[in-house]
Amino acid sequence: ETGVTQTPRHLVMGMTNKKSLKCEQHLGHNAMYWYKQSAKKPLELMFVYSLEERVENNSVPSRFSPECPNSSHLFLHLHTLQPEDSALYLCASSQRLAGSPNEQFFGPGTRLTVL
Amino acid sequence: GIQVEQSPPDLILQEGANSTLRCNFSDSVNNLQWFHQNPWGQLINLFYIPSGTKQNGRLSATTVATERYSLLYISSSQTTDSGVYFCAVMISGTYKYIFGTGTRLKVLA
Repeated sequence: ETGVTQTPRHLVMGMTNKKSLKCEQHLGHNAMYWYKQSAKKPLELMFVYSLEERVENNSVPSRFSPECPNSSHLFLHLHTLQPEDSALYLCASSQRLAGSPNEQFFGPGTRLTVL
Repeated sequence: GIQVEQSPPDLILQEGANSTLRCNFSDSVNNLQWFHQNPWGQLINLFYIPSGTKQNGRLSATTVATERYSLLYISSSQTTDSGVYFCAVMISGTYKYIFGTGTRLKVLA
């Protein structure tokens, strides 16, 4: 595997379900990110991790719970979601958190539908 | 907060035509990227270009950081160029990329 991978690619869940999204980067990067892309809206940054430490929680509701067990893996745990949480969830990684050069690479995304 | 504006919002081209997409930003940046989002949602890196000019095949990009804009040129467009093009900027002294609202391109055969 190369680059950034995400599983599952598609997920349909009820509002009472608990599910997890997984992201893995094979680039040796030190920073990882979760973004949300809703229809007709710009990408919204949700969480940022640097060297497994969370450095940003962009006012995300607690029904989204991130986890970064090591610098290669990032999870997004979902519980009691709302229909408006339906969106494309994108994971990204970069070599470093700040400074330059700092190019981000994205996974293919998980398309989530909440019924 | 920083404003990242892309124009035009929508663009329809005949195959073989050339186009220029623009990204304006309201603050000094130290990182800037252009992405192509394909119909399946994948964001594909086109250019990392905080300043200067780069070319990759039929695509090229120019960023004039002092004037706070970047341009993406697509020449001899193909139907596979269809999708949404995003620019993303990182403000100097921060670690967040801010995305523009995108240009939706459709290339007709």
